Amino acid sequence: EDQVTQSPEALRLQEGESSSLNCSYTVSGLRGLFWYRQDPGKGPEFLFTLYSAGEEKEKERLKATLTKKESFLHITAPKPEDSATYLCAVQAEANDYKLSFGAGTTVTVRA
Amino acid sequence: NAGVTQTPKFQVLKTGQSMTLQCAQDMNHNSMYWYRQDPGMGLRLIYYSASEGTTDKGEVPNGYNVSRLNKREFSLRLESAAPSQTSVYFCASRSTGVGEAFFGQGTRLTVV
Repeated sequence: EDQVTQSPEALRLQEGESSSLNCSYTVSGLRGLFWYRQDPGKGPEFLFTLYSAGEEKEKERLKATLTKKESFLHITAPKPEDSATYLCAVQAEANDYKLSFGAGTTVTVRA
Repeated sequence: NAGVTQTPKFQVLKTGQSMTLQCAQDMNHNSMYWYRQDPGMGLRLIYYSASEGTTDKGEVPNGYNVSRLNKREFSLRLESAAPSQTSVYFCASRSTGVGEAFFGQGTRLTVV
C-alpha cells in the first residue's frame, strides 16, 4: 500500500521567513512525485513533477527536491499570496493510473 | 479552455436520496478520476477510469457507482446518500503514463 505523509500539518510564517514542507513516501517503485497547491474552495492546482532522486524543480519562490524517501517544498521569502494548502502525491510503477495523496500542509503567510 | 468542469458546485441531500455528479474534460485525456476530500484525510480515490470503457475501484468505493459515458465524461452516482458521504468531491483527468492530473473546482455535498 502506497503511503504519503506530509509535515507539518500547518505552518504559520511571517512574510519573508523562508521554510520547508516535508513529504515522506513509501511506494514500490516511484514513477513520479507531484506537488499541488490548493486554495480554499478550489481544486488542486499542479505545481511540479519529480521523477528521480536528486531532481529539483523551481517556480518563483518555490523549489521542490526529491530523495529516495522524501520530497521537500522550499518556500523562499514567502509572500501572503503563497498562503494555501500544499499537497503531495505519488504515482507507483505498479499502478501508474493511481495517484496517492498526503493530507497536505496548510501554509499561512502574515504580512 | 475550460479544463475539467464539474456540476453541481453545491448540493444538499436528504439521507436516502440519490444524485449524480457530472464531470467533463476537454483536454482529450484518457484517464479520469473521482476523489473525495475530508478534513485531515487528504484526497481519497473513489473510482477511476484508465481509458474509455473501463472503470476500477479506488480506496473508498462503497456507496458509489460510476459511468464513463465517453472519453470526455465521467459521472459519479450516489444511489442512497448517507451522512458519511458529506464531503467535497473532485473530478480529475490526466493522460496515460507519467503526467500531472488536472482537477475540477469540486462539488460540496452535504447529506442531512
